[in-house]
Amino acid sequence: DAKTTQPNSMESNEEEPVHLPCNHSTISGTDYIHWYRQLPSQGPEYVIHGLTSNVNNRMASLAIAEDRKSSTLILHRATLRDAAVYYCILRDVQRDDYKLSFGAGTTVTVRA
Amino acid sequence: NAGVTQTPKFQVLKTGQSMTLQCAQDMNHNSMYWYRQDPGMGLRLIYYSASEGTTDKGEVPNGYNVSRLNKREFSLRLESAAPSQTSVYFCASSVGLRPTYEQYFGPGTRLTVT
Repeated sequence: DAKTTQPNSMESNEEEPVHLPCNHSTISGTDYIHWYRQLPSQGPEYVIHGLTSNVNNRMASLAIAEDRKSSTLILHRATLRDAAVYYCILRDVQRDDYKLSFGAGTTVTVRA
Repeated sequence: NAGVTQTPKFQVLKTGQSMTLQCAQDMNHNSMYWYRQDPGMGLRLIYYSASEGTTDKGEVPNGYNVSRLNKREFSLRLESAAPSQTSVYFCASSVGLRPTYEQYFGPGTRLTVT
């Protein structure tokens, strides 16, 4: 199974951008890159996903390296509400990866 | 539009007691899931329902049963609770099973079995 590697923690100041890296050097051509986050004492929340091209939505942007071995989740202006654990996962459409399986993720702290 | 709702939010059971965790979604999703989350173990799938009328086992189904009551509701039952079932339980839903579909989660039920 293709796995991801993320830093344990990152800190940011409020209203500054946050760049969260994720390495997935063994990614296959049918793996989608998904990001979820989990705020303290809440359920996981979908953030964004992509396959090859960069993606933007109202929450964040996803930048995918040309060789797809790494990606970066970008929160453009961090707020206190963005303090959470962020999970980068791969989901293979060929194997029908219907279940979500999170690793340790990156704990993001936002300073006021 | 409430998304995914779960009841109760908290529950304490004694070993051997039974209970049902309720989940409902108002997004007209076909697929629903029950996960448990334990410190250091991450998220684990207990059961899922690809569509109304079907249910299947996930990674850790022992000690649990489920019912897909209708398209909106998916319940999880613990017939005889054990301390090993102390966990946070999340219900989720998605348009379908395909990995391109995102899953939406409820707020969770924090269960303690003594």
